[in-house]
Amino acid sequence: GAGVSQSPSNKVTEKGKDVELRCDPISGHTALYWYRQSLGQGLEFLIYFQGNSAPDKSGLPSDRFSAERTGGSVSTLTIQRTQQEDSAVYLCASSLAGRVEETQYFGPGTRLLVL
Amino acid sequence: GDSVTQMEGPVTLSEEAFLTINCTYTATGYPSLFWYVQYPGEGLQLLLKATKADDKGSNKGFEATYRKETTSFHLEKGSVQVSDSAVYFCALSRVDNDMRFGAGTRLTVKP
Repeated sequence: GAGVSQSPSNKVTEKGKDVELRCDPISGHTALYWYRQSLGQGLEFLIYFQGNSAPDKSGLPSDRFSAERTGGSVSTLTIQRTQQEDSAVYLCASSLAGRVEETQYFGPGTRLLVL
Repeated sequence: GDSVTQMEGPVTLSEEAFLTINCTYTATGYPSLFWYVQYPGEGLQLLLKATKADDKGSNKGFEATYRKETTSFHLEKGSVQVSDSAVYFCALSRVDNDMRFGAGTRLTVKP
């Protein structure tokens, strides 16, 4: 079946502009996660959605970052007034029910470059 | 807070060499432990996992055992191949469900 998809695959923007990144999780997965992978770094947790519960936003680095998940499926990560340090690969993952032992399935990522 | 520390790379081995990538963790409660792999130009994918103490995860000749007494989950393979060249990430899944990753270890296997 289809995996996690993300769009766009690459995004180049100018400093100060807003960007929106999209994630389509695996159908039927109730848990959705956003991570950031900076060059040469590990993955940094950003935000977690589980069903209709309030999202866990504890990983968002600043109030310029926000995310929504509509209808329990597609999610959009928005970065306002982008800065050069926002340049990174943004990864989305989903899991069946968000249980601790479950595998998270990752999308291919969106590579963001802020000039 | 919960965290993962893994051996820093890069690691360069000859084909058929033995591989160990060390991973230790700090966590409250009973996390699940994972190894993910990122092959060149590809996305992150699960390599293996273990969900409780003393469990051994295995896949594609790789193994790792969940050791609660040493808080470790070291990745091993008896004979690496050129196709194993990738970046390997150790991770733990927390009770509040976000996953904490190590910094990654780049492995290069030379023929």
